[in-house]
Amino acid sequence: QSVTQLDSQVPVFEDAPVELRCNYSSSVSVYLFWYVQYPNQGLQLLLKYTSAATLVKGINGFEAEFNKSQTSFHLRKPSVHISDTAEYFCAVKSPGNTPLVFGKGTRLSVIA
Amino acid sequence: ETGVTQTPRHLVMGMTNKKSLKCEQHLGHNAMYWYKQSAKKPLELMFVYNFKEQTENNSVPSRFSPECPNSSHLFLHLHTLQPEDSALYLCASSPLAGPSTDTQYFGPGTRLTVL
Repeated sequence: QSVTQLDSQVPVFEDAPVELRCNYSSSVSVYLFWYVQYPNQGLQLLLKYTSAATLVKGINGFEAEFNKSQTSFHLRKPSVHISDTAEYFCAVKSPGNTPLVFGKGTRLSVIA
Repeated sequence: ETGVTQTPRHLVMGMTNKKSLKCEQHLGHNAMYWYKQSAKKPLELMFVYNFKEQTENNSVPSRFSPECPNSSHLFLHLHTLQPEDSALYLCASSPLAGPSTDTQYFGPGTRLTVL
C-alpha cells in the first residue's frame, strides 16, 4: 500500500476554501487518516475514516471524503485561517498488524 | 505532564558520540513507536513496541538501538551516527499496536543534527 499527496505546497488566501489531495493504493480495505503538523510540533490527528460514513468531519472545521472508486481521501475546509498554516499528512493502514503508511506531506500556507 | 513528551528537543552530536533520546507517554497506552522524519520524504517507521516487546524493526541500522523498559517509556540509543541520520525523530503511542483504527499520538520530536 502507498499514499500519494499530489501537491507538495498549497498557498491560499485567508477565508478562501482549500482542498488537499490524497490518493492511496491498496489491494485490501483500508483505513485513512489525516494528520497536521504545526511548526516545531509533532503530528496531531485531524480526522480518520474507519469504514463508517464516507464523509468524515474532523477538528478545526476540516472534513474529508472517502471515494473508493477514485481511491481518494481529499481534505477540505470551506474557509481557512492564518492559524491553519502547517504541514498536512495523509496516511493509510490496512486491517491487522500492519504499519501506518504516510504520504510526503502538503505544506499549506495561508496568506493574509 | 500530559500526552507524549520527548527529550531533548534539540541535539547536536559528532559521529563518534553516544547519546540517547527519551520518550514518555502519559496516556496509558501499550504501544510505542519511533519514526524518522527527513525533509521531502514520508515519515519512516523505525521500531514498534507492544507491551514492552519489540514487534517491528523496519530494517534500521544497528547504530540505532531502541529500549522499552515499560509501556510508558521508550529510548533510542545512538552511536557512531552518520550525517545522513540528521532528521526529526518522532515518538508516538497508541492503545495497542495492530488494531487499524487506533489513533497514534505523537510527541513534538527531537531535532537531531549529526556533524
